[in-house]
Amino acid sequence: EVQLVESGGGLVQPGGSLRLSCAASRFTFSDSWMCWVRQAPGRGLEWVANIKEDGSEKYYVDSVKGRFTISRDNAKNSVYLQMDSLTVEDTAVYYCAREAYKIMETWGQGTLVTVSS
Amino acid sequence: DIQLTQSPSFLSASVGDRVTITCRASQGIGSFLAWYQQKAEKAPKLLITLASLLRSGVPPRFSGSGSGSEFTLTITSLQPEDFATYYCQQLNTYPLTFGGGTKVEIK
Repeated sequence: EVQLVESGGGLVQPGGSLRLSCAASRFTFSDSWMCWVRQAPGRGLEWVANIKEDGSEKYYVDSVKGRFTISRDNAKNSVYLQMDSLTVEDTAVYYCAREAYKIMETWGQGTLVTVSS
Repeated sequence: DIQLTQSPSFLSASVGDRVTITCRASQGIGSFLAWYQQKAEKAPKLLITLASLLRSGVPPRFSGSGSGSEFTLTITSLQPEDFATYYCQQLNTYPLTFGGGTKVEIK
């Protein structure tokens, strides 16, 4: 069974940075698009970013462009989300997901990011 | 960006009821729509792809239909494990977007 495990969440002050990681297993990671989706407390789902199998294409939602960077290391079966210039509006559970044709097939359990002073 | 509007946002139903959730897109998206189920404090789970294709392992009481800008998710004979929040998602255009969700609660 496909497994995705996120880590790196926590409490950070406004303006700070955080790097999320997602470790993948039990599928061919290097053949898969990957993405991050977030969910603010009590709110709906928001797609954040995705990255092509070889890292050559990346797409972002407008609200994070220029602040967040998605990357991957196929040798480590991992995808990352570097988050800079964080604001309180970035507070959310961040899910890593395996994407196929822009569909989030499998999700991790999520990691909570809280931006607060 | 393509906006997805789900209705209702909340519904109360009983075990055995037939439930229909609607998702309307702000522009035509063909059949490029997926449905997800999310239970409390859990990650979402993919149910349906390309508007009507049931994912392997999803019970056949779930079905999806529609194309263009109007889509429906139907649950025939609601079961206790179906009480959850349901989201539609368009996969036609970046940025990928989700509907606001429909919470199905026990009457």
